[in-house]
Amino acid sequence: NAGVTQTPKFQVLKTGQSMTLQCAQDMNHNSMYWYRQDPGMGLRLIYYSASEGTTDKGEVPNGYNVSRLNKREFSLRLESAAPSQTSVYFCASSGEYEQYFGPGTRLTVT
Amino acid sequence: GIQVEQSPPDLILQEGANSTLRCNFSDSVNNLQWFHQNPWGQLINLFYIPSGTKQNGRLSATTVATERYSLLYISSSQTTDSGVYFCAGPNSNSGYALNFGKGTSLLVTP
Repeated sequence: NAGVTQTPKFQVLKTGQSMTLQCAQDMNHNSMYWYRQDPGMGLRLIYYSASEGTTDKGEVPNGYNVSRLNKREFSLRLESAAPSQTSVYFCASSGEYEQYFGPGTRLTVT
Repeated sequence: GIQVEQSPPDLILQEGANSTLRCNFSDSVNNLQWFHQNPWGQLINLFYIPSGTKQNGRLSATTVATERYSLLYISSSQTTDSGVYFCAGPNSNSGYALNFGKGTSLLVTP
């Protein structure tokens, strides 16, 4: 039972490059989330998926897209990376209220 | 969504000391959670506690929903308690997503 897994753990991109962050959970949770964490800012919601087949914007969705591939997997795509997207990205899942987080992806955009 | 304020922002303790962390929130909640982010960045769910009191080993939490605050107690602190403690309430327009406070950074010294 791995919980929530994320790949990659670290990534360095040049401005304008694209990439996809992968997330999977094995807890049979309906809801999945992507947050970003910046120094002094806490965590902020980028996108969420309340159930398979649905996705919705959070507080800071600009520059990102998501795909809920199936109940287990929720990916986050940066189409054209910008230095402002340098951050630590966390995926989480929940059955109802209690959320469980993946280990995070540290992304640097130069 | 709910606004969450945490205090103190920073705390240094000697091993064995007790501490209380506070979380104030701006409206009534049906979802209030405490997390610990360890020095390696992993976010661990400590408590789901929209009201009442829960205990888990040396940690306990109390939420007084009518007065819109929650307290996290750490007794007999250990160096492994170091890290950042986050309180989070509901992001009311985003399913079960959370709004996070900015955290309390705790350092426990030997």
